[in-house]
Amino acid sequence: AQSVAQPEDQVNVAEGNPLTVKCTYSVSGNPYLFWYVQYPNRGLQFLLKYITGDNLVKGSYGFEAEFNKSQTSFHLKKPSALVSDSALYFCAVSENTNAGKSTFGDGTTLTVKP
Amino acid sequence: EAQVTQNPRYLITVTGKKLTVTCSQNMNHEYMSWYRQDPGLGLRQIYYSMNVEVTDKGDVPEGYKVSRKEKRNFPLILESPSPNQTSLYFCASSLSNTGSSRGYTFGSGTRLTVV
Repeated sequence: AQSVAQPEDQVNVAEGNPLTVKCTYSVSGNPYLFWYVQYPNRGLQFLLKYITGDNLVKGSYGFEAEFNKSQTSFHLKKPSALVSDSALYFCAVSENTNAGKSTFGDGTTLTVKP
Repeated sequence: EAQVTQNPRYLITVTGKKLTVTCSQNMNHEYMSWYRQDPGLGLRQIYYSMNVEVTDKGDVPEGYKVSRKEKRNFPLILESPSPNQTSLYFCASSLSNTGSSRGYTFGSGTRLTVV
């Protein structure tokens, strides 16, 4: 069975500092990995994905994530956080043998303070 | 505007009264999926569909039904709702089941309360 872990319920950073939101996964085959962001009372918005290729993936709003196969991780990063980045972030995984079935993490609340 | 439209946005119903939450997308996407979001549990997949007449169970399909008779619509049916189905529901679609270059597009959500 596939699974996703987001070990931190909450991440707090100061505006202008780098941020990292952690994600580790478990799948039987090759992973398809995604990050989404959810603002209050809104649906989820796609940030970026890893399917294959370069381990460093760049996405929307200046976010990037690095796929690390040996550590089964896909941490979300941004070099300089903005107050407007404050939101709920979800990591999700599917696997190449059954890409329709997706599993989400429990979410990490990011708070960026001025 | 390219979008996934869910209706209704809010619904309060009573135990056992059949209901349908509609989901429609105007992007000619092949893949559609339903999730429920509960505090502390993230999003859990209920059902997904790879194309017309092709549906499969996600992690929490019990108590739900779906159909995919046409590409644009993917309704979620609760034949006999129970209070433990009180949740926030999201429909999502994408060009393919790997999310295409734009990832999955999510609807705005349906907040369901079963009393």
